Amino acid sequence: QVKLQESGPGLVKPSQTLSLSCTVSGGAITSASYYWSWIRQSAGKGLEWIGRIYTSGGTNYSPSLKSRVTMSVDTSTNQFSLKLTSVTAADTAVYFCAGERDIVLVPAIMPAFDIWGQGTMVTVSS
Amino acid sequence: DIVLTQSPGTLSLSPGERATLSCRASQSVATRFLTWYQQKPGQAPRLLIYGASSRATDIPDRFSGSGSGTDFTLSISRLEPEDFAVYYCQQYGSSPTFGQGTKVEIK
Repeated sequence: QVKLQESGPGLVKPSQTLSLSCTVSGGAITSASYYWSWIRQSAGKGLEWIGRIYTSGGTNYSPSLKSRVTMSVDTSTNQFSLKLTSVTAADTAVYFCAGERDIVLVPAIMPAFDIWGQGTMVTVSS
Repeated sequence: DIVLTQSPGTLSLSPGERATLSCRASQSVATRFLTWYQQKPGQAPRLLIYGASSRATDIPDRFSGSGSGTDFTLSISRLEPEDFAVYYCQQYGSSPTFGQGTKVEIK
């Protein structure tokens, strides 16, 4: 059973870079079944998709965050990572890593965020 | 981005009652791209329904999803104590977006 666990600092200063990692356990991150996303949840904006990374290294980012987001994957450690630059108080949120997969019920292919980490709270404050 | 509007914001019901939650999209969403999640306090969201109407693994059959186009519904036929939670709809367009959630609380 694949499980996800976020890690990283819980406090980041304004204008600095938020860096988080997600460790995949119970299976290889290179599994063809999954691609890997970051999602955040704040009181003000609810659930917000940040972006996804494929094990090939390809990425898709939210248009509203694209200029500040970088995602990467490290197959040797079974981890994928998020960097968000120039943070402000508006970036304060619980950050979740999630695994997406395409669920096949012939003839349909239906994507879903199938597995989630427990989430990690990140506060942006001086 | 496609905006999803969920209603009502809060649903106050008793165990055993039926819950009907609405999700309306700002533009048409293909049914295969509409999912529902359940979230309890302090936990991550949990996949309930994908493809608008297919239950995820281990989800009881009292949960059902329906709809097409811009109007989708999550129904819980008989509320169990563990069903009181917040429910989110989500769509896959050019970027995934979530509704703001419906809280199902004990009356």
